[in-house]
Amino acid sequence: AQSVTQPDIHITVSEGASLELRCNYSYGATPYLFWYVQSPGQGLQLLLKYFSGDTLVQGIKGFEAEFKRSQSSFNLRKPSVHWSDAAEYFCAVGADSNYQLIWGAGTKLIIKP
Amino acid sequence: EAGVAQSPRYKIIEKRQSVAFWCNPISGHATLYWYQQILGQGPKLLIQFQNNGVVDDSQLPKDRFSAERLKGVDSTLKIQPAKLEDSAVYLCASSLDNGMNQPQHFGDGTRLSIL
Repeated sequence: AQSVTQPDIHITVSEGASLELRCNYSYGATPYLFWYVQSPGQGLQLLLKYFSGDTLVQGIKGFEAEFKRSQSSFNLRKPSVHWSDAAEYFCAVGADSNYQLIWGAGTKLIIKP
Repeated sequence: EAGVAQSPRYKIIEKRQSVAFWCNPISGHATLYWYQQILGQGPKLLIQFQNNGVVDDSQLPKDRFSAERLKGVDSTLKIQPAKLEDSAVYLCASSLDNGMNQPQHFGDGTRLSIL
């Protein structure tokens, strides 16, 4: 069965520092992988997605993620965070078999001034 | 383009009462999803529509939850009667079609509190 693990419930980073949020998945075939961001009181916004091809994916707001099949990971990165990046980040995996997304529990990003 | 619209934004009811949520997807989007997001968790799919037909409702507690999308456009989700564990944010999302290459677009959700 598909599953997604985000090991960090929350992460605190200083403004201007680099960021890496971890995501590990369990799926038998090549998955469809997504990162979404949720600001307080709002719905989820797609940051980036991986379907195939280049394993380094660029997204909106300066985010990127790298698909590593050997590690079953799809970690999200940003070289320099801004206070406006404070939000909750969700990793999700999807499959062609049912067109549904399985979601991780989320990582809350806290930015220190 | 206009995004996914949901109403109300907040709702407070007592247990055993009924409540309904409304969702208007992005124009032209065939697929509509209702999710339940409990505090501290990721979204959990309740029901997925393709036009006016149900694709999957395997995680919908059908003894108390119901949903419809009669004309294949907007949708309502109802809870009757509500239980304390139904306190959550209810998110509606839509996509152009149900393929994995079609991203889901989310509304801002309805935050439901059960007293």
